[in-house]
Amino acid sequence: EVQLVESGGGLVQPGGSLRLSCAASGFSFINYWMHWVRQAPGKGLVWVSRINSDGSSTNYADSVKGRFTISRDNAKNTLYLQMNSLRVEDTAVYYCARQGEVWGSYRYTFDYWGQGTLVTVSS
Amino acid sequence: EIVLTQSPGTLSLSPGERATLSCRASQSLSSSYLAWYQQKPGQAPRLLIYGASSRATGIPDRFSGSGSGTDFTLTISRLEPEDFAVFYCHCYSSSLTFGGGTKVEMK
Repeated sequence: EVQLVESGGGLVQPGGSLRLSCAASGFSFINYWMHWVRQAPGKGLVWVSRINSDGSSTNYADSVKGRFTISRDNAKNTLYLQMNSLRVEDTAVYYCARQGEVWGSYRYTFDYWGQGTLVTVSS
Repeated sequence: EIVLTQSPGTLSLSPGERATLSCRASQSLSSSYLAWYQQKPGQAPRLLIYGASSRATGIPDRFSGSGSGTDFTLTISRLEPEDFAVFYCHCYSSSLTFGGGTKVEMK
């Protein structure tokens, strides 16, 4: 069974840092691109960042570029999001999501999601 | 950057009724890139439709997707109590945009 379990969320002051983790199991993690998607309280989904299967290519939403860094450890089946210079508007539930298999029908979708971890940026 | 606009913002319907949700793109996109997700309160989103019209594994056939170019539609033929939720369209473009969502609430 595919499982994605996020951790690392919490309360942080503006300007602070936090590192989120997403532990993957039940599938061959090294073969999949992974994403972070966030959702501010009561708001919609917003894509944050993407990393390819070997970690050599990353992309970011303009709103987090230069402040957030996505990475992965394929030996540990874990995805990370390092968040620096946090702002009040970064407050959200952060989901990790698996992109469908590169050559499969779901290749342009997020076919599995974690349950999310809440990040609150407040003084 | 492609912008996705969903309408209506809220749909108030009764079980058994038909729901029609719209997703309009600011520029033409390949149907392959258009997906729909369902999100219930306190839960993660779930993939419903991929490639604009194909149901994901385990999704009931009362859910259907259609459209091309800039106009896409999600239809729920007969609403079941468990279908009331927020629905998002998504485009796997360079900006990986989500629409703003449509809430389907029980009347």
